[in-house]
Amino acid sequence: QVKLQQSGAELVKPGASVKLSCKTSGYTFSTSYMSWFKQIPGQSIEWIGMIYAGDGGTGYNQKFKGKATLTVDTSSSTAYMDLSSLTTEDSAVYFCARCPPSLGAPFDYWGQGVMVTVSS
Amino acid sequence: DIVLTQSPALAVSLEQRATISCKTSQNVDNYGISYMHWYQQKPGQQPKLLIYEGSNLASGIPARFSGSGSGTDFTLTIDPVEADDIATYYCQQSKDYPRTFGGGTKLELK
Repeated sequence: QVKLQQSGAELVKPGASVKLSCKTSGYTFSTSYMSWFKQIPGQSIEWIGMIYAGDGGTGYNQKFKGKATLTVDTSSSTAYMDLSSLTTEDSAVYFCARCPPSLGAPFDYWGQGVMVTVSS
Repeated sequence: DIVLTQSPALAVSLEQRATISCKTSQNVDNYGISYMHWYQQKPGQQPKLLIYEGSNLASGIPARFSGSGSGTDFTLTIDPVEADDIATYYCQQSKDYPRTFGGGTKLELK
């Protein structure tokens, strides 16, 4: 079955960067898109951007350009998101989710989420 | 960006019907398909896809969940509501980028 396993919680200092991972199994990694999301506890979900695992092509929400960088490693079927120049406003739960390669497809499988806390 | 508006909360009794609405700032239909999806999220968990393209039940989702609507007005119906359905429900559009979600409707017990 399809699984997306995210890395563990992170506590990072302001100004630092963090790299989150999303290891997948149960489907052909290179033929789907992977999106990333931000959710501050008690608030709604924001779409950060997406990456096509087949060729590494990316698309970002303008709000997160310069903040997030998405990459993939097809040899390990893992997607990554780098978050840079962290501030307390980046403290949130971050999810990865698969999106099939069809027009307007939903996010059908999600990782369990990872809490990132930015604090000195 | 397309804005999705949901009521913040809805109180229902078990075994009754719950109707959750989502209104969009722009038409999210294209080529006869509504690019509107619904997710359920319980505290501390990831969202789960319930309904895709307006009215299609996702794999493994009970038939008491249904979706309807088109254009700018959409509805998620749960009938009958069970205790396990107490959660927050989000609508999401995939007509345009950036993908956007509604603010969520928290389903509560009366």
